[in-house]
Amino acid sequence: AQSVSQHNHHVILSEAASLELGCNYSYGGTVNLFWYVQYPGQHLQLLLKYFSGDPLVKGIKGFEAEFIKSKFSFNLRKPSVQWSDTAEYFCAVNAGNNRKLIWGLGTSLAVNP
Amino acid sequence: EAQVTQNPRYLITVTGKKLTVTCSQNMNHEYMSWYRQDPGLGLRQIYYSMNVEVTDKGDVPEGYKVSRKEKRNFPLILESPSPNQTSLYFCASSLSNLGQGEKLFFGSGTQLSVL
Repeated sequence: AQSVSQHNHHVILSEAASLELGCNYSYGGTVNLFWYVQYPGQHLQLLLKYFSGDPLVKGIKGFEAEFIKSKFSFNLRKPSVQWSDTAEYFCAVNAGNNRKLIWGLGTSLAVNP
Repeated sequence: EAQVTQNPRYLITVTGKKLTVTCSQNMNHEYMSWYRQDPGLGLRQIYYSMNVEVTDKGDVPEGYKVSRKEKRNFPLILESPSPNQTSLYFCASSLSNLGQGEKLFFGSGTQLSVL
């Protein structure tokens, strides 16, 4: 069955530290890849997505992600986190099926000022 | 303003008392979906709809009903709520099918407690 795995469930960083959140999926065909963010008490919103083209995708607020097809990965990165990045981050994959997204369980990020 | 509107924001009810959570989008989106979010389980899809009068089960449809009589509305119905349906519910919509890389727009959520 298709699945999405986020390796880090809880991450705690200090401000200015670099961030990398792992996301791996299990599907051999064409994929669309997404990272969504949920700030405390808010609804989910799109951070960035990969549909086609350049595998290095840049999103809002200085986030980026790299699609590595050979590794079935779509890791999220930010060179220097801020306290306002405290949130839950979800990786999601549309795996050759236009009807639904397959979601990872999420990573809770806490950034200490 | 383009948005997905859910109501109510908070709801406390008792076992067996039918309830409806409304969802409306003003973006003329074809695709709409309901999710529940539980600690440690992430987001799980309940039902989705590709267009008017077209609905389909997601991963956890048991105990829920939906309807899509109009393009903009996609209510979630719990005919006989049970405590295991206590959760945070999100409605989401997308312009077209997700295979085109379309993003989902989410509502603000409904925190449901079933006593």
